[in-house]
Amino acid sequence: GENVEQHPSTLSVQEGDSAVIKCTYSDSASNYFPWYKQELGKRPQLIIDIRSNVGEKKDQRIAVTLNKTAKHFSLHITETQPEDSAVYFCAASMRGDYKLSFGAGTTVTVRA
Amino acid sequence: DADVTQTPRNRITKTGKRIMLECSQTKGHDRMYWYRQDPGLGLRLIYYSFDVKDINKGEISDGYSVSRQAQAKFSLSLESAIPNQTALYFCATSAGTEKLFFGSGTQLSVL
Repeated sequence: GENVEQHPSTLSVQEGDSAVIKCTYSDSASNYFPWYKQELGKRPQLIIDIRSNVGEKKDQRIAVTLNKTAKHFSLHITETQPEDSAVYFCAASMRGDYKLSFGAGTTVTVRA
Repeated sequence: DADVTQTPRNRITKTGKRIMLECSQTKGHDRMYWYRQDPGLGLRLIYYSFDVKDINKGEISDGYSVSRQAQAKFSLSLESAIPNQTALYFCATSAGTEKLFFGSGTQLSVL
C-alpha cells in the first residue's frame, strides 16, 4: 500500500512568517494529494488538495506544490496567524482507490 | 446542517470488554470509513464500506469488526478490548470522491 511520510513533526513560527510542511509518497500511481487541518479538540477538515495533473494550487494564504518525479508535495502557509495553529495532515490516494493514506501529522504553533 | 455524528464522544472500558462505536450521517453519502488517530502515527484506516453490502479491511483491521446497518449507519466493534486500542476514533464519509468528511470523534480508553 501507499506510504506517506511527513516532516517536520512540529513547527513553531513567528506570527507573520511562512510555514512549510513536506510530504513524500511511495507509490507512483498516487494521483490525489489533500491536506487536512485539525484544530485542538476538533475533527480534521480539508483545506486544500491537488491532483497529479497540476504542479501548484493556491487558495489565499495557503498553497500546495507537487513534484511527481521526486514523489513529494508541500504545504505553504504565508503570513501566518494565530488561527493557523493546528495539526496538519497530508495524504495520498491512488486513482480510483478512494482511500486516503495519511502522514503522521505536523503540529504548527504560531507565536504572537 | 448535514453532518456525521459519532456516539459516544468518550468511553472508558476495561480490558476484555466488548464495545461498539456508532456512526450515523445525514449527508446522503454512500461511502463510510473508520480511522483511528494516535499521536505521532496520524490517521490509520481500519475498515471502509462503499455501500450497504460492501465491507473492506483497511491497514489495521485486526481486533476490530464493522457493520453497515444502512446507508447512513456504520458501526465499529472491538470484540475484546485491549489497552493498545486506546485511541481517538473517527468515522468519515465521502460522496464518490476522495474528499472525506469526518465525524466529531470518539475518545476511547481501555484500562
